[in-house]
Amino acid sequence: EVQLVQSEAEVKKPGESLKISCTGSGYGFVSYGISWVRQLPGKGLEWMGRIDPSDSYTNYSPSFRGRVTISVDKSTSTAFLQWSSLEASDTAVYYCARHDDSGTWGQGTLVIVSS
Amino acid sequence: NFMLTQPHSVSASPGKTITVSCTGSGGSIADNFVQWYQQRPGSAPIIVIFDDDQRPSGVPDRFSGSIDRSSNSAYLTISGLKTEDEADYYCQSYDLSDSWVFGGGTKLTVL
Repeated sequence: EVQLVQSEAEVKKPGESLKISCTGSGYGFVSYGISWVRQLPGKGLEWMGRIDPSDSYTNYSPSFRGRVTISVDKSTSTAFLQWSSLEASDTAVYYCARHDDSGTWGQGTLVIVSS
Repeated sequence: NFMLTQPHSVSASPGKTITVSCTGSGGSIADNFVQWYQQRPGSAPIIVIFDDDQRPSGVPDRFSGSIDRSSNSAYLTISGLKTEDEADYYCQSYDLSDSWVFGGGTKLTVL
């Protein structure tokens, strides 16, 4: 079964760093890009960026460039989304998805940033 | 830059047919495939249409997708509405740099 499994929910304080993960299985992980999508509370889906696991090429939405870093570890078939300094406005659900038309998405990771 | 615009909400009674539009601006809707996602509260999005008009296995044939070049729009049609269809629906396509572009989402209420 093709699936993406994301890390558990996180509760952090403003200014803290965070790295969440997305592990693929059931397919050739390096053959497909991984996108990250943000959903603010009660709002729509926003594409943040993607990475090609074969060469770690990244493409960020201008709205998120410089605010987050997308990386990958091919040896564990895992993609990552990280922040160096969280803000309260980063509170959201974050989804990873295979960057194609298959509709393969992770279950989502809730990130809460609160003092 | 390419953008997709959807109506904020649509409503209809069980058994009726609804159509949700997704209008492109800053480019042609026909240049790249359009996908449609269904999202129920508290759940991840589920794809219901891919490549403009293809239905994944397991999605009822009550769901259909189309493209109209003249209106630069994609359409999701749901016939024989059921209460379980009540959800948010998002269209998604690509821009010139292969980035994903989402519509703002349409809330479907089945009265």
